[in-house]
Amino acid sequence: KQEVTQIPAALSVPEGENLVLNCSFTDSAIYNLQWFRQDPGKGLTSLLLIQSSQREQTSGRLNASLDKSSGRSTLYIAASQPGDSATYLCAVKGHEKSKLTFGKGITLSVRP
Amino acid sequence: EAQVTQNPRYLITVTGKKLTVTCSQNMNHEYMSWYRQDPGLGLRQIYYSMNVEVTDKGDVPEGYKVSRKEKRNFPLILESPSPNQTSLYFCASTLGGVGVGEQFFGPGTRLTVL
Repeated sequence: KQEVTQIPAALSVPEGENLVLNCSFTDSAIYNLQWFRQDPGKGLTSLLLIQSSQREQTSGRLNASLDKSSGRSTLYIAASQPGDSATYLCAVKGHEKSKLTFGKGITLSVRP
Repeated sequence: EAQVTQNPRYLITVTGKKLTVTCSQNMNHEYMSWYRQDPGLGLRQIYYSMNVEVTDKGDVPEGYKVSRKEKRNFPLILESPSPNQTSLYFCASTLGGVGVGEQFFGPGTRLTVL
């Protein structure tokens, strides 16, 4: 059974800092991995999707990498801003019933 | 605008009173699914559908029903809601019948069952 772990559960950093959010998964047989952002009480916004054959994806100040063999992904946020404060979730799409398995998320707070 | 919509956004009801949460997408996606999000448990899949008239159970299907009569709609039905179904519910869709593309989520429905 696929398990997705995101540690730590919460993170507070000063504005301007570059930071890395980690995601690990137990079963490397995945189709893809997706990073989402969730603001309090709101829905999920897709940030980046990495297919299993890819190593990384970039969008603006965000860069996500995937190391399937070690079961790890990282989301790199450059020059963090207070507007980046949110919960960041990673999810992997496995082969079992086309299921999407989520981590519990990392709540990021960027202090002005 | 490409989007997934859910209605209602907020709902307070009582135990045993049947309810339906609607979900609609305008992107012609084959794959749709329902999740619930609970503190400490994260997002868990309830049901999913690979196409019209094709549905299957996710991790936590007990107490829920779904139907997929049209490609764009995927309603979630609670025949006899109970307090343990109080949660934040999300509908999602993606292109491709096995759901391997980018997932798009609706804004969520906050359900309280008294």
